[in-house]
Amino acid sequence: DAMVIQNPRYQVTQFGKPVTLSCSQTLNHNVMYWYQQKSSQAPKLLFHYYDKDFNNEADTPDNFQSRRPNTSFCFLDIRSPGLGDAAMYLCATSRGQGYYEQYFGPGTRLTVT
Amino acid sequence: SQQGEEDPQALSIQEGENATMNCSYKTSINNLQWYRQNSGRGLVHLILIRSNEREKHSGRLRVTLDTSKKSSSLLITASRAADTASYFCATDADQGGKLIFGQGTELSVKP
Repeated sequence: DAMVIQNPRYQVTQFGKPVTLSCSQTLNHNVMYWYQQKSSQAPKLLFHYYDKDFNNEADTPDNFQSRRPNTSFCFLDIRSPGLGDAAMYLCATSRGQGYYEQYFGPGTRLTVT
Repeated sequence: SQQGEEDPQALSIQEGENATMNCSYKTSINNLQWYRQNSGRGLVHLILIRSNEREKHSGRLRVTLDTSKKSSSLLITASRAADTASYFCATDADQGGKLIFGQGTELSVKP
């Protein structure tokens, strides 16, 4: 029944050690999003894909990159995690852009030691 | 700059009472959405209201939108302990599907 799946749910990485978070969806949605959410804050959009078209937010650090090899999967790569990158990372999908709701995964909580 | 701001930041009520949360935003929007987030989990979509709509209902939820005041409210009637969560408004300003979330209201419903 799971629609947007994120693995792992908890990830611990060392300062500066590259880490990849994954997201998959069974909804066949065109759009996939990555958000960063720090404690008691609003989710902040990092980037999104409309099909294969990648859209980066202007204030997303270069340290964050993304890949979408096919419709179902999307990855978030953090090249050199800093202590400030510790957060919950949320993946979401939507059928299209505009008047569509977004479906969120359960999130991956990233700890940087 | 942040698009949506919500108040109150935290709200504590007794089961059976109504809960009202407000959201204000700064620029014109195409639609406004409300989401719920249980502690440490992903967000769940509650309701979407378009800019040409003034009110929408879904079960115990009632959302209003006043575009002249750039504000929206979410009313949860007859609240339950299971409604305890954070509630976020999110605005879609450019039809690109990009949502900008408010800071959220943390609702606590005591049994």
